[in-house]
Amino acid sequence: ELKVEQNPLFLSMQEGKNYTIYCNYSTTSDRLYWYRQDPGKSLESLFVLLSNGAVKQEGRLMASLDTKARLSTLHITAAVHDLSATYFCAVDIFGNTGKLIFGQGTTLQVKP
Amino acid sequence: EAGVTQFPSHSVIEKGQTVTLRCDPISGHDNLYWYRRVMGKEIKFLLHFVKESKQDESGMPNNRFLAERTGGTYSTLKVQPAELEDSGVYFCASRRTATNEKLFFGSGTQLSVL
Repeated sequence: ELKVEQNPLFLSMQEGKNYTIYCNYSTTSDRLYWYRQDPGKSLESLFVLLSNGAVKQEGRLMASLDTKARLSTLHITAAVHDLSATYFCAVDIFGNTGKLIFGQGTTLQVKP
Repeated sequence: EAGVTQFPSHSVIEKGQTVTLRCDPISGHDNLYWYRRVMGKEIKFLLHFVKESKQDESGMPNNRFLAERTGGTYSTLKVQPAELEDSGVYFCASRRTATNEKLFFGSGTQLSVL
């Protein structure tokens, strides 16, 4: 069965702390997406990771992809309240069709 | 550039009624997708249009769901008759070509079937 699993599903952290969200997927994919969603808003694209070893950074967020381990990580550095949102990873295993398999989402709450 | 627009943002209907959701993709985006998130579950693919043609409708739950994209512009998703289990958030997404481009999502339609 095709599965994408995120860990943890809920994360409460203090401002200034570091943490990592993990995304494991069960079948081969060389294309992984990270999205952010604020309540009631659209899914905003954060990163598209296209190859093994890919690493991308934007502000306090850094994403990486290990296709051999079927694992992607989203690392948060020195969290701030504005990062509070739900983060989704998704894989496209059907040859870049846009038919994505999503993880359950990780709800991040950053406390002052 | 306007983003992906969905209408309505919320819809509350009774079981057995019909509801039509609309999605306006970003101008020039040939690829249009519908996804759905049922409460407590993952976001799941419903179908994919390339221009006005259905490329993949493997995720459509059953024949109560009908999607159209006349003229290759906006798309509608009709649920008739609606059932309780159809409640959830319906997202639309688009992208220009089948490249490595990311999908641009709308803010979704929250459908509640009572």
